[in-house]
Amino acid sequence: NAGVTQTPKFQVLKTGQSMTLQCAQDMNHEYMSWYRQDPGMGLRLIHYSVGAGITDQGEVPNGYNVSRSTTEDFPLRLLSAAPSQTSVYFCASSTVTGTRWGANVLTFGAGSRLTVL
Amino acid sequence: AQSVTQLGSHVSVSEGALVLLRCNYSSSVPPYLFWYVQYPNQGLQLLLKYTSAATLVKGINGFEAEFKKSETSFHLTKPSAHMSDAAEYFCAVSRFGNEKLTFGTGTRLTIIP
Repeated sequence: NAGVTQTPKFQVLKTGQSMTLQCAQDMNHEYMSWYRQDPGMGLRLIHYSVGAGITDQGEVPNGYNVSRSTTEDFPLRLLSAAPSQTSVYFCASSTVTGTRWGANVLTFGAGSRLTVL
Repeated sequence: AQSVTQLGSHVSVSEGALVLLRCNYSSSVPPYLFWYVQYPNQGLQLLLKYTSAATLVKGINGFEAEFKKSETSFHLTKPSAHMSDAAEYFCAVSRFGNEKLTFGTGTRLTIIP
């Protein structure tokens, strides 16, 4: 089925380890984004991309890197994991109407639950 | 800056009762407003969206929301709650649709049998 696929679903890391959360979509969406969800804080935007080769920071980018080499993929890298990065991570994508990044419906992946010890 | 405030992090209603989830936004320009729902262990999915057409927006599963500019509100309602409505609900705003979505902190809805 078409949609947003995130891997892995669960991951446990030790402080200082690195890892990559994968996100792939097959809907030819230009806009892709990463959110983290923490209790009582809703969803906060980490990084986003409006097309291949274009990325930008969101509300909480520190400690995370992204790249967008293809339209389909938007991996999120944690270079040196910290306990504060324990969270549920969601990848979301949408089409874009002109420059109206927030005008269109986001399609979300099922989430990746990360625990940093 | 745009923001949304969801009043009540937890709401409980009896099955068959009215569901009312509150959302107030701050935006100095016309907003795009969304309600998303998250069922347990799943990603978010769209319930409904307001983009300055009709002020009363109907969504999926019998939900609707009314945009009230004078009150800067976009409350979500459903006349009769069903057990399957138990989930977390998020309000989100984008100014003009030009900015990335800003989400509220969410309201967890519990349905009492």
